[in-house]
Amino acid sequence: GAVVSQHPSRVICKSGTSVKIECRSLDFQATTMFWYRQFPKQSLMLMATSNEGSKATYEQGVEKDKFLINHASLTLSTLTVTSAHPEDSSFYICSAKDRDVEQYFGPGTRLTVT
Amino acid sequence: GQNIDQPTEMTATEGAIVQINCTYQTSGFNGLFWYQQHAGEAPTFLSYNVLDGLEEKGRFSSFLSRSKGYSYLLLKELQMKDSASYLCAVRDSNYQLIWGAGTKLIIKP
Repeated sequence: GAVVSQHPSRVICKSGTSVKIECRSLDFQATTMFWYRQFPKQSLMLMATSNEGSKATYEQGVEKDKFLINHASLTLSTLTVTSAHPEDSSFYICSAKDRDVEQYFGPGTRLTVT
Repeated sequence: GQNIDQPTEMTATEGAIVQINCTYQTSGFNGLFWYQQHAGEAPTFLSYNVLDGLEEKGRFSSFLSRSKGYSYLLLKELQMKDSASYLCAVRDSNYQLIWGAGTKLIIKP
């Protein structure tokens, strides 16, 4: 099956710094990538949808200047959390899809902001 | 608005059968997905239904009734490793996935 990787798997950063999370589709070309956030004991919350070569579409309530998304190629999307604060601590998950119906999820990145 | 409803938590016994229900009201319908998510891990795909009826895949089956806005995930011969959250998601007319809050399934010996 299709494989999606994320890096890093865990990151701890200080308040006010920025963190970049990479999402790669390893064996297929992802026309669309999705970024989700999941707080403990809650369901996935879609943050944004990105199509290769175009600007990401952000969900209501998600600050696009704080969560920068770049989808520069068909196999790589990055999420940068700028000026991170403790309330940004969460589990960030990306998923990717090609022309098939299924979304393939990355393993997730646990961000802790101290 | 769009809404996906599923029970918050269910408990079942090892070796038994459990059915997790999901009802939805969405703007359009382009398929329903079930995902399994173990604590601290990303979701993994279980099933996809776009037509009415039952899809069977090993110990797991998923059923869809589009006219009723209803689906269920059936897990047979439960194993302890099946303890996880089960997420129901519907793809709407914009091909956006709308997620349910998930059902936490607890398996007891």
